[in-house]
Amino acid sequence: SQQGEEDPQALSIQEGENATMNCSYKTSINNLQWYRQNSGRGLVHLILIRSNEREKHSGRLRVTLDTSKKSSSLLITASRAADTASYFCATEDNFNKFYFGSGTKLNVKP
Amino acid sequence: GAVVSQHPSWVICKSGTSVKIECRSLDFQATTMFWYRQFPKQSLMLMATSNEGSKATYEQGVEKDKFLINHASLTLSTLTVTSAHPEDSSFYICSARDRTIATNEKLFFGSGTQLSVL
Repeated sequence: SQQGEEDPQALSIQEGENATMNCSYKTSINNLQWYRQNSGRGLVHLILIRSNEREKHSGRLRVTLDTSKKSSSLLITASRAADTASYFCATEDNFNKFYFGSGTKLNVKP
Repeated sequence: GAVVSQHPSWVICKSGTSVKIECRSLDFQATTMFWYRQFPKQSLMLMATSNEGSKATYEQGVEKDKFLINHASLTLSTLTVTSAHPEDSSFYICSARDRTIATNEKLFFGSGTQLSVL
């Protein structure tokens, strides 16, 4: 990808379990955001964490950011079948451009 | 939330023809629109950044004469794939930023256009 890698590339879990996906990026950033994409559709913004923040919560989502390691993680707790989608991290560089990671395809089995 | 409308959602065309894709922000003014290309099971590749009233800036390796971008108003940006070839077949997605400060940091996406060039 233009920005970095995400792992795992694919994740399959049972409903009710937690899902953790990781993102690494290459450049210095203003913020890091996570998006969700259902197959063949556009992306939907989930959560944003600024470069001076270390952790952020929103509902069942928890995001961490480690700027020293240029990495972030997204945790989805108590997953549901409806969470099945691809998840991408995105970073905004100092030129206000957004670059996306390689994505994690999450499958939550009912 | 803010809505971005992208049309068409899919298009099939013959090799050598041009295809125009529209991206409209329906309920907000978009200072900047981004055009991405996505191959199957892959990430989004930023193609170009489109600012209203000025020329688009293209990412390295993206041919500006091949992918013409026009951002004539604060609510409309278009991407024209000129003289399309089968290798241009892909999923193209636009996104826009809202001028409202509170929501300026995130992107709103269109639903994408699947282009198939025969």
